[in-house]
Amino acid sequence: SQTIHQWPATLVQPVGSPLSLECTVEGTSNPNLYWYRQAAGRGLQLLFYSVGIGQISSEVPQNLSASRPQDRQFILSSKKLLLSDSGFYLCAWSGGAEAFFGQGTRLTVV
Amino acid sequence: AQSVTQPDIHITVSEGASLELRCNYSYGATPYLFWYVQSPGQGLQLLLKYFSGDTLVQGIKGFEAEFKRSQSSFNLRKPSVHWSDAAEYFCAVGAGTYKYIFGTGTRLKVLA
Repeated sequence: SQTIHQWPATLVQPVGSPLSLECTVEGTSNPNLYWYRQAAGRGLQLLFYSVGIGQISSEVPQNLSASRPQDRQFILSSKKLLLSDSGFYLCAWSGGAEAFFGQGTRLTVV
Repeated sequence: AQSVTQPDIHITVSEGASLELRCNYSYGATPYLFWYVQSPGQGLQLLLKYFSGDTLVQGIKGFEAEFKRSQSSFNLRKPSVHWSDAAEYFCAVGAGTYKYIFGTGTRLKVLA
């Protein structure tokens, strides 16, 4: 069966520091991969999605970037974090139907 | 523009009472529709989905949802709520091949 791993679960980072969140999927090939951010009371905002290695689509301009160095690996990065980057980040994968989510990373920028 | 609206931010029901969570969508084509549930600090779990066919779909944990094309709605229902159903619920539409658009969520509180 397919599983999705996302880490770390929680992270506290100072303003201006770099960020790297990792997501990996097991049990499937060539998944569509997604990064969402969830802010309190604002639902889920799609940040990036990828349909293949090296193919990244950005949904909103921001201080973040994403990369897909391997078929089942999706990384969310930032060179310098802002306070506004705080939130709950969710990775998801899809085979073309429903999306399946990781357990999320709570990022607090201080 | 494609969008999903969940008009109720918070809903409180007593344990054993029935539940209906509302969801309206705006999408030009026949949508794929989903309901997810999120416990605090956790990821999202798929409750049920609608792709085509029977407009009343059954999901896990005793939930069901009905697709009404004329009303652009996909409301989630449960006949008898349990305390463990307290969580946040998200409606989503599959917008094209790759995208999912989510509503802002409805937080459910269950009174003992």
